[in-house]
Parts: sequence; structure tokens; C-alpha cells
Amino acid sequence: EAGVTQSPTHLIKTRGQQATLRCSPISGHTSVYWYQQALGLGLQFLLWYDEGEERNRGNFPPRFSGRQFPNYSSELNVNALELEDSALYLCASSLGGTGANYGYTFGSGTRLTVV
Amino acid sequence: QQPVQSPQAVILREGEDAVINCSSSKALYSVHWYRQKHGEAPVFLMILLKGGEQKGHDKISASFNEKKQQSSLYLTASQLSYSGTYFCGTRSQFYFGTGTSLTVIP
Repeated sequence: EAGVTQSPTHLIKTRGQQATLRCSPISGHTSVYWYQQALGLGLQFLLWYDEGEERNRGNFPPRFSGRQFPNYSSELNVNALELEDSALYLCASSLGGTGANYGYTFGSGTRLTVV
Repeated sequence: QQPVQSPQAVILREGEDAVINCSSSKALYSVHWYRQKHGEAPVFLMILLKGGEQKGHDKISASFNEKKQQSSLYLTASQLSYSGTYFCGTRSQFYFGTGTSLTVIP
């Protein structure tokens, strides 16, 4: 069974540009979560999508946005990139719903570097 | 809102035991634990769904005290492969703990 796949693996952008990161969840998983992991720091919650809807978002500015497609894949868009956006962006998937009964399966991440 | 883990870092010799604690200022309805090796994605270890629950596999186990809003991860007879950063997570609030770096040396 394929795991959570993220693309691209690495992305280099210039300050002010836009970045688009993609995630394909495990087959059968309807929930997708996005996390930012800056160097040496922990996992900061960005967004949760389930059944095509944004269900919750963390404490990030509106220039961080995304969507979930009918096949449950998801993309994260970061507009007006700033140097401090440089980080590893992790996508995770799980069986959906609001219940807290399932763990996450993480992808390997996209390393975004803003120069 | 982010759970606090302690210790921040620990170095063990092979065969020694370790305990990692996770405390939250908010109610914990469930706790899940992950290990992240350097340069890799976090890997799910286990989830505890109710107070008083204890789980384990191999030599890694965890407990959950819902009243105290705490969870602890126990690693016994540590192996080199246990090295990594451990995170607790609160599924209902989507937040992960501050992380504990664990290094096992020969």
C-alpha cells in the first residue's frame, strides 16, 4: 500500500513569490493535515481538511491556504513568501471524522527554502 | 496550547530506560505518540484514548492520566534504533508537544 506522498521534495523560491505543495493521502483516508516544521522546532499545525472542506486552521496568516480535491489529495499554497517560511512542510492523513481515534501517517515532507 | 514535554533532551546508553512526559494545560481527550528520526517523517507509535489506558509494544509503552492532563512514554532496555525526537500529540486539538530528543549510545 502506498504511503502518503508529497511533492516536490525540495522547493526553492524567492521572497514574494508563491509556493504550491501537494499531498496524496493513503487510499481510504479522507482527512489531510498540514504541518510546518522549522529547523530545530516542533510541528506547528497549519490546516485540516476532511471530505473536501477546511475544518480547522492553526495560528498562521491567511497567505497560508489550501484545498482538498474530490480524490482527497490536497495542496497547500503559500503566497507572498517570506524568509521565515523556510521550513519542512509535512502532510499527514488519517481516517476522517472528528473523532480522535486514529493516528496520523505522515509523508516525507517538502523542504521549502525562501531566498 | 502546545503540550509541554520533558525532558527536552536525554542521552542513554544501550539497555537503559527512559521516561518522556507530556503535559497539557488543556483537557486531553486522547494522546498519540510519534518518533521522528533525523531527516525523516514522524512515525506513529501509539494512541491512548481514555484516562487510565496503558499501551505498549516491544519495549515501548505509554500511559495516559486524563485527570492530570498528562501522558508518559516509557522506553525500557533502550536500543540504538530508539534514537530520535519523540512528540506527543493531542488529536482533538491538532497540537504536538515541544519534542524530546533521545539519543542512545553504545
